[in-house]
Amino acid sequence: DQQVKQNSPSLSVQEGRISILNCDYTNSMFDYFLWYKKYPAEGPTFLISISSIKDKNEDGRFTVFLNKSAKHLSLHIVPSQPGDSAVYFCAAPSRGAQKLVFGQGTRLTINP
Amino acid sequence: DGGITQSPKYLFRKEGQNVTLSCEQNLNHDAMYWYRQDPGQGLRLIYYSQIVNDFQKGDIAEGYSVSREKKESFPLTVTSAQKNPTAFYLCASSSRTGGDSNQPQHFGDGTRLSIL
Repeated sequence: DQQVKQNSPSLSVQEGRISILNCDYTNSMFDYFLWYKKYPAEGPTFLISISSIKDKNEDGRFTVFLNKSAKHLSLHIVPSQPGDSAVYFCAAPSRGAQKLVFGQGTRLTINP
Repeated sequence: DGGITQSPKYLFRKEGQNVTLSCEQNLNHDAMYWYRQDPGQGLRLIYYSQIVNDFQKGDIAEGYSVSREKKESFPLTVTSAQKNPTAFYLCASSSRTGGDSNQPQHFGDGTRLSIL
C-alpha cells in the first residue's frame, strides 16, 4: 500500500527554468509533509516542509504547494540550477510514531 | 560538527554471514531509524527507536536486528536470514518523539551492502 506516490521517476529541465515535482498521497490523516533531496551515495537532506494548515511554504528558490482536497503536493524550484540535479523524495510522518512514509523519488536533471 | 556517522561506507557479505552496520549521532537526538533503499524505490523503514533500550519493527524488519544501548548509537545487524540484503542502508535521527512528529529526520551518508 503506497501511501505516498511520486509518479514521475525522472524529470529533465533546462537551467533557469522552473522545475515542478509532484507527489500524491492517499492517507487523509497526514498533516505534515517534507521534501528531501538526495545526491548519489549520500543520505537525503531535508529541503522544505509544509503543514496541512497552510497551502504554500516558500524558502528561497523552493516553494511547496499543498492541495488537501486533491491530496496532492508539489515542489517548485525556480530558477533551476545545475546543482539541483538530484533525486527528490516527498515524505509524510505517520501518526502515533515518528515514522516517515516516503515516495519512490523523482530524479531531476538540470540541463545547461 | 554535529551529525550522523555511518560506517563502513561499503560492506561485503558472504553467504551465511551476519554483518553489522554502525550508526552514531552526536545531535543528542532521542529517536533513531534504519531505512533501506533499493533502486527505483523510496526508503523503507526497517527498525526505529524512540528511546534508549527500546526499539520497534518497521515495515521490513525480517532478517534484521538492532540494539539501542546508548543514545548515540543504533547498530543494525543484517543476518543470514535476510535473503536479499544487497541495498543502500540509511540511518537517521530526529529530536522529537511521540505525538509531535513535525521534526525533520537527519540522515547519515549511508552504507552500501553487497553480496560476495
